Amino acid sequence: AQTVTQSQPEMSVQEAETVTLSCTYDTSESDYYLFWYKQPPSRQMILVIRQEAYKQQNATENRFSVNFQKAAKSFSLKISDSQLGDAAMYFCAYRSQTSGSRLTFGEGTQLTVNP
Amino acid sequence: DTGVSQNPRHKITKRGQNVTFRCDPISEHNRLYWYRQTLGQGPEFLTYFQNEAQLEKSRLLSDRFSAERPKGSFSTLEIQRTEQGDSAMYLCASIEGLGGWEQFFGPGTRLTVL
Repeated sequence: AQTVTQSQPEMSVQEAETVTLSCTYDTSESDYYLFWYKQPPSRQMILVIRQEAYKQQNATENRFSVNFQKAAKSFSLKISDSQLGDAAMYFCAYRSQTSGSRLTFGEGTQLTVNP
Repeated sequence: DTGVSQNPRHKITKRGQNVTFRCDPISEHNRLYWYRQTLGQGPEFLTYFQNEAQLEKSRLLSDRFSAERPKGSFSTLEIQRTEQGDSAMYLCASIEGLGGWEQFFGPGTRLTVL
């Protein structure tokens, strides 16, 4: 079974600075997807960014980018120019190609953005 | 389209009572997922449907839990004889068709069992 680990329960960053959230995962599969989801307080979960395992190029979405290290099974999220609205719980998630698209989530990292 | 909706948003019940939650996915999304999220943890997969067929159930889904999606549109999740350990946020998500990849989540139903 796949597992996802986020070793940073809490992180904080100053507004306009850069922060990196860590995620590692364990799988025996070679083809899969990885995601970062954002869950603001009392609001629904939204997708931040995704990465296909077969792509070597790291995904980027505006201020959000990932560092995908397939051999190391590492998938970190970098948030540049942090904004107050980035404050939320961030979840790393894994999706197998063969599991019917269900997601396996990590424990989450609570990100605080200080003005 | 207003996205995935879930009702009720909050439910408080006494131990031993039955509760039912409803999820309305985005229209024409034929795959629907249920997750459970306890405080301070990531969501855990419970079950999923493709149209009206329930294709996978987690070991977390004890026999007190039952989910349905009778017409391939909305889904219900029922918990019988609730226990305090059932207190959690129950999340629903849907995906568009066979080629879709992004799960769109609803706001969740927060269950408190007293």
